[in-house]
Amino acid sequence: AQSVAQPEDQVNVAEGNPLTVKCTYSVSGNPYLFWYVQYPNRGLQFLLKYITGDNLVKGSYGFEAEFNKSQTSFHLKKPSALVSDSALYFCAVRPAISGNTPLVFGKGTRLSVIA
Amino acid sequence: GAVVSQHPSRVICKSGTSVKIECRSLDFQATTMFWYRQFPKQSLMLMATSNEGSKATYEQGVEKDKFLINHASLTLSTLTVTSAHPEDSSFYICSARAHGGPRETQYFGPGTRLLVL
Repeated sequence: AQSVAQPEDQVNVAEGNPLTVKCTYSVSGNPYLFWYVQYPNRGLQFLLKYITGDNLVKGSYGFEAEFNKSQTSFHLKKPSALVSDSALYFCAVRPAISGNTPLVFGKGTRLSVIA
Repeated sequence: GAVVSQHPSRVICKSGTSVKIECRSLDFQATTMFWYRQFPKQSLMLMATSNEGSKATYEQGVEKDKFLINHASLTLSTLTVTSAHPEDSSFYICSARAHGGPRETQYFGPGTRLLVL
């Protein structure tokens, strides 16, 4: 069975500093990996995904993530954090097989960017 | 990205009543829709997966007679919470995925907050 671990419940970073939100996964076979962001009382917004190809994936709002197969990680990064980036971030995985396999989510990491 | 809408965004009802939540994919055909439930400060819990024209597949522990799901068209799925009780109060989020298999991105609705008094 697939699973996602987000080891940090909370990440605090000063505005303008680089940020990293960690994610590791476990899946049978190749993974499809996703990052979503959730603002208070809102649904999830898609940020980026890794399907195949270049390990560094660039997404919305200046975010990027690097797929590392040997470490089974897909950490989310941004070179310079903004206060408006403060939100709840979810990493998700789905095995690269056909069918209706749903996304499996991590428990989420709350990012707080301090001015 | 693709847009998924949910209606209503917030509903308050009395215990014992039924509540229907609509989920629509506005600019794509959603062959598969998912319904999630989220408790405060927790991750999303998948309730069920539905394909257009087929019966929904419910996750273990989710009562199918309690949470009725209808995926009648490629752009509309509904979740009906029957005989709602206070413990059903939660944030319900739908998600839709276009045909194309697991490579396709799942897009999420804005959520519906249900409060049962």
